[in-house]
Amino acid sequence: DAKTTQPPSMDCAEGRAANLPCNHSTISGNEYVYWYRQIHSQGPQYIIHGLKNNETNEMASLIITEDRKSSTLILPHATLRDTAVYYCIALSYNFNKFYFGSGTKLNVKP
Amino acid sequence: DVKVTQSSRYLVKRTGEKVFLECVQDMDHENMFWYRQDPGLGLRLIYFSYDVKMKEKGDIPEGYSVSREKKERFSLILESASTNQTSMYLCASSQPDDGQETQYFGPGTRLLVL
Repeated sequence: DAKTTQPPSMDCAEGRAANLPCNHSTISGNEYVYWYRQIHSQGPQYIIHGLKNNETNEMASLIITEDRKSSTLILPHATLRDTAVYYCIALSYNFNKFYFGSGTKLNVKP
Repeated sequence: DVKVTQSSRYLVKRTGEKVFLECVQDMDHENMFWYRQDPGLGLRLIYFSYDVKMKEKGDIPEGYSVSREKKERFSLILESASTNQTSMYLCASSQPDDGQETQYFGPGTRLLVL
């Protein structure tokens, strides 16, 4: 599975969009990009995933570049409750290779 | 919504005790997983199961065993707890679907072994 690289931390003002980048330059054609977040002392929460096309759900949008080497998770109107560690994972259908890495600590500030 | 529940949020046990951690999912998922999460080490897979009564070792199975007697329930057993098993334990479930497999996690059990 492809290695992903994320900045260790980011700040965002409450009410503004939070754009979290992820690099996955070695991603292969059948690997999906998944995003999870983990609020302190809780289990990881699934946010969104995609293969090639941009995706949107009630929580976030996922923008994947045409070459699939990077992606951006967008939280359109960040709230204080969105403060968490966000993990980007590139994963093929191989359920014993779910590697979370260090993620990005998003701090949403009032 | 998928719901994965774990029997305890916090647990304190003594060295040598037998510890049972239970996980239940309500979405009829085929696959279930046990991970532990430690600072600086990320999530590490202990065991997983792709069917009732089936189990496969993950990356760090030593000191642990599992049981899956019913599809919705996956138990993690620490036969003789040790202090190095103090950790956050996370259960997850998933259903393979056309090359995709989203894992849904429980709230976690923070285990302290004294």
